[in-house]
Amino acid sequence: NAGVTQTPKFQVLKTGQSMTLQCAQDMNHNSMYWYRQDPGMGLRLIYYSASEGTTDKGEVPDGYNVSRLKKQNFLLGLESAAPSQTSVYFCASSYEGGGTQYFGPGTRLLVL
Amino acid sequence: RKEVEQDPGPFNVPEGATVAFNCTYSNSASQSFFWYRQDCRKEPKLLMSVYSSGNEDGRFTAQLNRASQYISLLIRDSKLSDSATYLCVVKSSNDYKLSFGAGTTVTVRA
Repeated sequence: NAGVTQTPKFQVLKTGQSMTLQCAQDMNHNSMYWYRQDPGMGLRLIYYSASEGTTDKGEVPDGYNVSRLKKQNFLLGLESAAPSQTSVYFCASSYEGGGTQYFGPGTRLLVL
Repeated sequence: RKEVEQDPGPFNVPEGATVAFNCTYSNSASQSFFWYRQDCRKEPKLLMSVYSSGNEDGRFTAQLNRASQYISLLIRDSKLSDSATYLCVVKSSNDYKLSFGAGTTVTVRA
């Protein structure tokens, strides 16, 4: 089992560009999450999905959108990238919203 | 006020030493507690859950103090491989969301 995978691993964008971060899990988990991690801030939840076809805003959703069309995939979109979105993005999944979450390896994003 | 607060450290300890650190949480309705471990430039991974009565997993001991709203982690007989950042994580019972502390960095030296 691959667990949780994320693509790309690294990305450099210019301000105003858009992109989609991809996340896939092969554990048949119902819940999936997108976090960002910034120095000294801890992980902050951007969006989460309790089940296929449903999504909810987390703590810092502004400037992002998500889609969960298939149970195994959770996509995070940046509509118009800003330097403040420079961060490390982690996707995670869990069986039913429990405390055991499995994380992907992360995407390092730099917005110039 | 942050929902989960941790001393960022770093805690620099020699191999074989015992190191302990706490985190505090602000939401008294929090029901589930965890320690995650994050190695440098890697993803977080669950280290252990924290139960009300306290629990051990090998050299790691976790304690919960609900009255004072803090959680502790103690590492005995530290190994070089214990060098990592330890994330304190809190969950409310009726919520899918986890609240993460910013982490405590532990460096074990030879």
